[in-house]
This record gives sequence, C-alpha cells and structure tokens, in this order.
Amino acid sequence: GDSVTQMEGPVTLSEEAFLTINCTYTATGYPSLFWYVQYPGEGLQLLLKATKADDKGSNKGFEATYRKETTSFHLEKGSVQVSDSAVYFCALNPFVNQGGKLIFGQGTELSVKP
Amino acid sequence: DVKVTQSSRYLVKRTGEKVFLECVQDMDHENMFWYRQDPGLGLRLIYFSYDVKMKEKGDIPEGYSVSREKKERFSLILESASTNQTSMYLCASSEQSSNSPLHFGNGTRLTVT
Repeated sequence: GDSVTQMEGPVTLSEEAFLTINCTYTATGYPSLFWYVQYPGEGLQLLLKATKADDKGSNKGFEATYRKETTSFHLEKGSVQVSDSAVYFCALNPFVNQGGKLIFGQGTELSVKP
Repeated sequence: DVKVTQSSRYLVKRTGEKVFLECVQDMDHENMFWYRQDPGLGLRLIYFSYDVKMKEKGDIPEGYSVSREKKERFSLILESASTNQTSMYLCASSEQSSNSPLHFGNGTRLTVT
C-alpha cells in the first residue's frame, strides 16, 4: 500500500547549519506531496507542497523537490534558526479526486541550538 | 484566517466512559478528518467525512464513531474509553481538491485512566 518513510530523529543542529530531512514514498499513480510542521503545543500547519513531478515547493526558506524517479521529497533549508525547532511531517495524497486524505510519515524532530 | 477549533486542549476520562471530542471549522470546507497522533507512529486516520451526514472509516476506526450533523462540525465519539485510547487527537478540514492542504486544530490530549 501507499506509505511515507522519513529519516528518524531527533536531528540536532547548530544555528545557521544546513538542514536536510529525507522523505521517500511508495504510491501508485501521481500523488500530491506535502511537508507539515508542528511547533510545540500546536497542531500541524502546512509548510510547502508539490503536486507533480519536478515541482519545487518553497516557504520560509525551506524547499523540497518532487522527484518521481527516486520517489523522494527531501526537505532542505540553507541556514536554520532556533525558531525552526519543531517536528516535521512528510505526507502524500494518493487520491486524485479526494482532498485531505493524507498518509503521513512518522515525523522528524528537529532541535536547533544557538 | 482559516480556523479549526477543538473544544478541549486536555481531557482526563475514566475507563468505560463515553467521550465526545468536538471540532468546528469556519472555512466552509466540505471535508473533515479525525487523526490520532502517537510518538513514533506519526498521524493515523480514524474517520473522515466528505459531506454532512456522511462518514467513512479510516485506518484505525475500531473503538470510535463520528457524527456530522452540520457542515462545520465533526464530532469524534469514544463509546467506551480504554487506556489504549490515550493519545493526541487532531481534527482537520480541507477543500475537495486533492491538492488542497489540511488545516488542523491545536489538538486534544486525552488521557484515559
């Protein structure tokens, strides 16, 4: 079945370091791909998305490119800040005509130290 | 701004109690969802609804039911709470398009003792 696999956390970085969180997926067809972020004590919020192969989603300095050949959607940021400390979730929607029914990865906790 | 409101942030209930978790969205979204979040397991879909009075089972519906009498409100019901239902519960809504993101509430942390 359809699934999402993320790199395990926690990931600990120093401020201004480069961030990569790996995400790979298994799905038939052409799913939409998403990254969500969850700050402490809050629900998830959309960080970025990509809806077709080679699309690049970007927001707040974060980027991810939809790579169909490697079934990947890795999250990157060139210079992280302490305020980026959160849990990051990769997700896909394999359903062409059904919005919102996402399959999530297990989440990757990021901790950024000053 | 988009808003999904869950009625309680924290709940403590006893085993065997009937528990209601309420969720309201103000975006006129057709789709509403209940997820459960547990460490190491990510989010798992319990139930969802694409229209008023319509409901469909997600991946882990056992022990839960839902009600959607109005478009803006989607309730999760634990008929007889058990300790293995201690978890964070997240409500979300979305538009119909497959490209539409989910909009989440802040979650209800339920403890069953």
